[in-house]
Amino acid sequence: DAKTTQPPSMDCAEGRAANLPCNHSTISGNEYVYWYRQIHSQGPQYIIHGLKNNETNEMASLIITEDRKSSTLILPHATLRDTAVYYCIVRVQGNAGNMLTFGGGTRLMVKP
Amino acid sequence: KAGVTQTPRYLIKTRGQQVTLSCSPISGHRSVSWYQQTPGQGLQFLFEYFSETQRNKGNFPGRFSGRQFSNSRSEMNVSTLELGDSALYLCASSWGTASYEQYFGPGTRLTVT
Repeated sequence: DAKTTQPPSMDCAEGRAANLPCNHSTISGNEYVYWYRQIHSQGPQYIIHGLKNNETNEMASLIITEDRKSSTLILPHATLRDTAVYYCIVRVQGNAGNMLTFGGGTRLMVKP
Repeated sequence: KAGVTQTPRYLIKTRGQQVTLSCSPISGHRSVSWYQQTPGQGLQFLFEYFSETQRNKGNFPGRFSGRQFSNSRSEMNVSTLELGDSALYLCASSWGTASYEQYFGPGTRLTVT
């Protein structure tokens, strides 16, 4: 699986959009981009995934650049409950199994 | 729908002992994966089971083993515990082997003294 690079930490004001970047310059054509987050003392939580098109769900939006070498997770109106470590993961989607390779993630601090 | 449950939530063991952790996946899910999380190494994949068969295995010593039962419940065992095995052990369940979403349990916090 391709590796990802994320900033170790970011701050965001409550109510503002949080934009979390991820670099995955060695991503292969069949690798998806996944985002999970881990709130303190809880298990990771799935947020969103995408291949090459931008995606949106009730939690967030995922913007993938045209060359697929980077992506941005957007939390449109961050709340204090969004304070967590956010993990960007790239992996092949298929019958190879469900293994996730977590990096260091970005620790997002939402401040009042 | 009940989430992934893990038992026990907290455990204290002594070096050299062995421990068994349990994971009950979401009803209908057939894949269970295990992860170890430590401050130094972060989240690391241990193994994945699907329909009672181990599908993938991470880079851990043979002291770490697991199994899955016909009802999809899974257990992992660590023998001859070492201080470095102190960690949060997480399991994740999903419907199949090519699932987009995986659902994690709250974890079992193991402390080895």
